[in-house]
Amino acid sequence: EIVLTQSPGTLSLSPGERATLSCRASQSVSSSYLAWYQQKPGQAPRLLIYGASSRATGIPDRFSGSGSGTDFTLTINRLEPEDFAVYYCQQYGSSPRTFGQGTKLEIK
Amino acid sequence: QVQLQESGPGLVKPSQTLSLTCTVSGGSISGGSYYWSWIRQYPGKGLEWIGYVSYSGSTYYNPSLKSRVTISVDTSKNQFSLKLNSVTAADTAVYYCARTVFAFDIWGQGTMVTVSS
Repeated sequence: EIVLTQSPGTLSLSPGERATLSCRASQSVSSSYLAWYQQKPGQAPRLLIYGASSRATGIPDRFSGSGSGTDFTLTINRLEPEDFAVYYCQQYGSSPRTFGQGTKLEIK
Repeated sequence: QVQLQESGPGLVKPSQTLSLTCTVSGGSISGGSYYWSWIRQYPGKGLEWIGYVSYSGSTYYNPSLKSRVTISVDTSKNQFSLKLNSVTAADTAVYYCARTVFAFDIWGQGTMVTVSS
């Protein structure tokens, strides 16, 4: 099973700044089958990015994903107040599908 | 637009079977090349994929749960279901159903299930 490790655990930033979140896989994720989700308190996760870099429907272009192999990054430009949440990466290149442990993005 | 809604008991006794249903609205469960998944989130916030089913009934389960899980589909009701037997306190979690097209693109709101006597 592929283990995904996200860093940092918590990221404290101010609105308007740029956030850079990391997801590292224990083995190569085939075909860049890596997704990112945003979760706010009391809500289900929401798909942001799939295929490592493709934005899901309705996702603002300030969200971008990059990476391949074992190292992936989610970048959020010009943080808005509604962007402060927990972010998870998830791989679907091999079974079982696995998630990272999450990065909490909090307001500084 | 497609929406998913979980339903089922919020409290299950240890050693019994957890049973949940996901109702799909706004679209046919048989339409498109989708799989239909169950995912759970522990109180500590970790997420675990349980398994999925296709509209034709093909299933794939997480090996860690395979011996205890059954996922089935009822296309006439536009629903799919989860059964997890021999539950323990470790199965206490929020259970989500989700549409799966590679990634999990549409999620239900989730339902909390507590395993306790």
